Amino acid sequence: KAGVTQTPRYLIKTRGQQVTLSCSPISGHRSVSWYQQTPGQGLQFLFEYFSETQRNKGNFPGRFSGRQFSNSRSEMNVSTLELGDSALYLCASSLRGYSSYNEQFFGPGTRLTVL
Amino acid sequence: AQKITQTQPGMFVQEKEAVTLDCTYDTSDPSYGLFWYKQPSSGEMIFLIYQGSYDQQNATEGRYSLNFQKARKSANLVISASQLGDSAMYFCAMREGRNTRGQNFVFGPGTRLSVLP
Repeated sequence: KAGVTQTPRYLIKTRGQQVTLSCSPISGHRSVSWYQQTPGQGLQFLFEYFSETQRNKGNFPGRFSGRQFSNSRSEMNVSTLELGDSALYLCASSLRGYSSYNEQFFGPGTRLTVL
Repeated sequence: AQKITQTQPGMFVQEKEAVTLDCTYDTSDPSYGLFWYKQPSSGEMIFLIYQGSYDQQNATEGRYSLNFQKARKSANLVISASQLGDSAMYFCAMREGRNTRGQNFVFGPGTRLSVLP
């Protein structure tokens, strides 16, 4: 079974631009979560989608948005990029949404650099 | 509020020896799951082991075992017979079981493990 895939793997953008990252979960998984990882802040939760609905959102500004399609693939968008948005963006999928007994499987991440 | 503490920013271990990575957590929810992930320099998070709050026995997965002490809210990862490939960042994470909004994975700051030949 294929794992979680993320595209692109690397991105270089300039301040003020916008970017869209894509995530394809493991087949059959309906929940997709997004995380931002930086050396200073560590792993921070962005949002979670389950069956095309945003179920949960972390403490990030409205410039960060996402969506999930009927095939469970998910995209996240960051508008008006800032230097501080440079990070590794990780996507994780799980079989179900609400459950503590529900491990997440991560993709390889997209490394975004904002110049 | 959920909180995960990993007090060891970095650890060194000799190859073939065992090592324990500490993790303490804070939650008021009686139902929760605890997870350990490994992140090599490539960046991908690799799931290692899971422990549920109601599990009676400590979880084990190959060379990984979880020393779960519920009363102390501790979930330490034990890696036996360390290998050079174990050198990586290790994250402890928790997810509460309440079926409410605001539930998500919370990660600790991580411990960087270096295995010495």
